[in-house]
This record gives sequence, C-alpha cells and structure tokens, in this order.
Amino acid sequence: DTGVSQNPRHKITKRGQNVTFRCDPISEHNRLYWYRQTLGQGPEFLTYFQNEAQLEKSRLLSDRFSAERPKGSFSTLEIQRTEQGDSAMYLCASSPAALGFGANVLTFGAGSRLTVL
Amino acid sequence: QKEVEQNSGPLSVPEGAIASLNCTYSDRGSQSFFWYRQYSGKSPELIMSIYSNGDKEDGRFTAQLNKASQYVSLLIRDSQPSDSATYLCAVTGSGGGADGLTFGKGTHLIIQP
Repeated sequence: DTGVSQNPRHKITKRGQNVTFRCDPISEHNRLYWYRQTLGQGPEFLTYFQNEAQLEKSRLLSDRFSAERPKGSFSTLEIQRTEQGDSAMYLCASSPAALGFGANVLTFGAGSRLTVL
Repeated sequence: QKEVEQNSGPLSVPEGAIASLNCTYSDRGSQSFFWYRQYSGKSPELIMSIYSNGDKEDGRFTAQLNKASQYVSLLIRDSQPSDSATYLCAVTGSGGGADGLTFGKGTHLIIQP
C-alpha cells in the first residue's frame, strides 16, 4: 500500500461544468475525510465517512457538492455547476481505528487542484 | 465554532537555532493536538501528536501542551534549511475528533542558512 491516492492531480474547468475527484485511502483505514485548502489558509473540513456512512458534513459543503463512498473503500467528491470560488486544493485523508486517539491521525493524499476559469 | 489561531509569519530563524511555533485553540474540550508540516505545493504531513499536558519529544521536535491555557507549541531544535515550510496546528473537538480536525492557517517558517 502506497498511501492515500487522489485523482486527478490537476483539473482545469470552465465555470458551470461538473467535476469529480476520486480518493483511494490506505486500505486498512475505515475513516475517510475531504478537506479544501485555498492559498494562505489551513485545510477546511468538508465531510467524512466511516466505512460507507457519511457521518458529518460541514456547512461549507453547499448542495452543489456531493460525496460518496459506496463500498467503504474509495470515495468520490463531485462539484456540480462549478464557480470560480470553488478553485482550491481538494485534499483527501484517511485514518485508522474507529476509536481512540489513533482515529484522529490523518494521512493526507497529494491533493487534487481545481482551477475554475 | 472551533477556532485555531496561529501567527502566519513569516518566522525567520537562523540555521542551527531553535524555532518556536505557537498555537491557541478555542474549544476547551479539545482532546488531541497535532502539528503538520506542509511544503509549498504539497499536502500536509504529520510530524507530531500530543494528547496530554506537558512535553513530548521526537528527535529535533518537541511538542508542548497546556490545556488550562488552551495553548500548544512546537519547538524545532538545530533548525535546518529543510525545515523551511508552513507548520499547521490541528485540534480535535470535544467530541473526540469524530468530526475531523480543525486546522489553523499555519505559520510560514524560514530557516536562514
């Protein structure tokens, strides 16, 4: 296992188009997180899954954003009708155990950079 | 609303000196605390975690936690140019972290050769 994998690494799209990002977590990790990071800011929490269940969504996640993790393995984050304000790095992270302090040790993927023209 | 505050810097430190990075957090119930390092254009990587009051040392890095003051810090001894990066402080909420980590904006550290 080589860590958290994200695809595509870069995406340039025109305003109004839909985009989808994929994240493959570390195989034994059952928690998966999506974060968004803009220049000069720390990562902002968007949503997280425990296995296939989406347990929390940030109010940052408008109804144009949807995330899935259908079989508890990989996850997708779709942005519909993209806006220029959606331009950011979208980071996926995973963590191991469901309980205890180790559950919060996040390993990040390399990120998917979105540019909306 | 959980908040994590860091001085954005840049913090400039001579090579070989001690770099001191600070972070305060608003949620008194936060239980876990982390320092991530992020190089420009790269994703964050974990360098330290700390869960109880006091100091935790790992090589050249020491994390310090004071829950009463809601303060966590990171010391980097014998600073190297390769330590130049943005350092992100992250904390869990009082729910134990089920809602993920809240990050500060990061402190940009520059180690001068």
